[in-house]
Amino acid sequence: AQSVSQHNHHVILSEAASLELGCNYSYGGTVNLFWYVQYPGQHLQLLLKYFSGDPLVKGIKGFEAEFIKSKFSFNLRKPSVQWSDTAEYFCAVISNNNDMRFGAGTRLTVKP
Amino acid sequence: EAGVAQSPRYKIIEKRQSVAFWCNPISGHATLYWYQQILGQGPKLLIQFQNNGVVDDSQLPKDRFSAERLKGVDSTLKIQPAKLEDSAVYLCASSLGGQMGYTFGSGTRLTVV
Repeated sequence: AQSVSQHNHHVILSEAASLELGCNYSYGGTVNLFWYVQYPGQHLQLLLKYFSGDPLVKGIKGFEAEFIKSKFSFNLRKPSVQWSDTAEYFCAVISNNNDMRFGAGTRLTVKP
Repeated sequence: EAGVAQSPRYKIIEKRQSVAFWCNPISGHATLYWYQQILGQGPKLLIQFQNNGVVDDSQLPKDRFSAERLKGVDSTLKIQPAKLEDSAVYLCASSLGGQMGYTFGSGTRLTVV
């Protein structure tokens, strides 16, 4: 079945640590890839997106993600996290039918 | 530009009651989506509209959920009768074209007791 997998359910880091959140998808064909962030009590906000071109995508707040087509992956990275990055992070895929599907999310807790 | 507006922000109802949620998308966005986000899970698509027509409602529990988008702008999502497992945040999103990504509203948090 087509799906979006986020393997880390909850990640706990100290400030200044590096972050990598995994995302794998099983859709074939053309895909557009997204990472959304949801801060406590707030709505989903777009961090970054990949449509085509350079597979290394830079987003807001120092986040970046790399599309590796051969691995069906779109991992999110940040070199140095801050306490304010504490949030839930969702990977999402739009495949050929224009229907956005989400992973289950990864909760990030950054300790000051 | 104004974002996607949703109301109410919170709703508490008893099981077997009915409830309705409202969404006003970004002006000019032809495509509108309703998602259900259960605590601890990612959003799940319930229904997708293109203008005032339904594109995909395959995951909408049609025995109790209904949605409409009259005139291709605002949309309402209704649950009748509600069950305990319907407790969730109901998100509305809109887009110019599906491939370009969506803009989400703040959601309506429904608690069924």
